[in-house]
Amino acid sequence: DGGITQSPKYLFRKEGQNVTLSCEQNLNHDAMYWYRQDPGQGLRLIYYSQIVNDFQKGDIAEGYSVSREKKESFPLTVTSAQKNPTAFYLCASITGTANTGELFFGEGSRLTVL
Amino acid sequence: AQSVTQPDIHITVSEGASLELRCNYSYGATPYLFWYVQSPGQGLQLLLKYFSGDTLVQGIKGFEAEFKRSQSSFNLRKPSVHWSDAAEYFCAVDLLTGGGNKLTFGTGTQLKVEL
Repeated sequence: DGGITQSPKYLFRKEGQNVTLSCEQNLNHDAMYWYRQDPGQGLRLIYYSQIVNDFQKGDIAEGYSVSREKKESFPLTVTSAQKNPTAFYLCASITGTANTGELFFGEGSRLTVL
Repeated sequence: AQSVTQPDIHITVSEGASLELRCNYSYGATPYLFWYVQSPGQGLQLLLKYFSGDTLVQGIKGFEAEFKRSQSSFNLRKPSVHWSDAAEYFCAVDLLTGGGNKLTFGTGTQLKVEL
């Protein structure tokens, strides 16, 4: 079955360390997104990519970096510059450029900074 | 400021009772409107969406939502709640500013269902 796979599901890191969250999709979707979810704050857009080798900052890009070398993959790196990285991270994708709004989400990665 | 507001952080209903979750937006034009549902520790799933036309839209799992332009609202309803509906519900808008699908989410409403 097609879908979005995020890994790892749980991740612990020490302060000062970079960590990379994986997001892979086999839906043949063009656009991919990274959201951060904190209790009581909903989802906030970190980065998004509409096409391979291109990506744009979202609302809270500081302290994060991404790459889009393949259509299927959109990894997110949480750098040591991110001041409060503990959160639930969600990857999503959507086909084409039509504003259908139906984002398909992965099951998320929970990052805890110790 | 432009925003999506879900005024109810938590709602508790009895199984079999009706449900209404509120959503208001503050934008100049009518955006595309969505409701998503999230089970604990999971991603989000689209329940329904409104682009244009009939202001009452039907979704999955027996949910419906009504767009009211005069009130800038897009409230989610279900006539009879099941215990499996317990989850967090998010209203979202697409401002249609170009540059791809960029949804802005509300802060969510946590639904608890009492048996």
